[in-house]
Amino acid sequence: GESVGLHLPTLSVQEGDNSIINCAYSNSASDYFIWYKQESGKGPQFIIDIRSNMDKRQGQRVTVLLNKTVKHISLQIAATQPGDSAVYFCAEKTSGTYKYIFGTGTRLKVLA
Amino acid sequence: NAGVTQTPKFQVLKTGQSMTLQCAQDMNHEYMSWYRQDPGMGLRLIHYSVGAGITDQGEVPNGYNVSRSTTEDFPLRLLSAAPSQTSVYFCASSYSTGASGGYTFGSGTRLTVV
Repeated sequence: GESVGLHLPTLSVQEGDNSIINCAYSNSASDYFIWYKQESGKGPQFIIDIRSNMDKRQGQRVTVLLNKTVKHISLQIAATQPGDSAVYFCAEKTSGTYKYIFGTGTRLKVLA
Repeated sequence: NAGVTQTPKFQVLKTGQSMTLQCAQDMNHEYMSWYRQDPGMGLRLIHYSVGAGITDQGEVPNGYNVSRSTTEDFPLRLLSAAPSQTSVYFCASSYSTGASGGYTFGSGTRLTVV
């Protein structure tokens, strides 16, 4: 099985409840942010992104909120489903660079 | 479309051996990168390329080489494997670094160095 999540913070939510996963980013010059989902044994998969000129962006069942004042980004998942169980990563890109910096991840467990 | 294809999926090496991890994408993406993923440390950038013939170092480049002779391929070479290189390696590509949609990742190569 996948060993990369052994020491990750874990969020457990009941099926049907809303989930909020938080991430603190490091660089105030970062201008683009992405949330990824990683299921066991697979590569990360794009969920939603947001640019620094926005505070909020919505997708299907997911919302990303960006607070530049405190350098915080959150992912909200509505009506969490068993298929949402995975590790979630935030990533930031600094303006003028080609490099993405990834957070360490949060494991989401959906309880039936 | 196959997306990003990595081979092999699993590999065991002895200390001191060399090998190449293959990565190919069929989306005509200019930007490709290699990451390693270790428990509790997220994804760390090893090397990246912004186009054929152009490569640069990421956060943890020591012990690895890359080349980009074509748009499609971006192999990662381990020069002399060490136990510290035991990890899961991901190749990723995108149309451009700030393009909406971010990276497309491969399914990974799990490498064990004994």
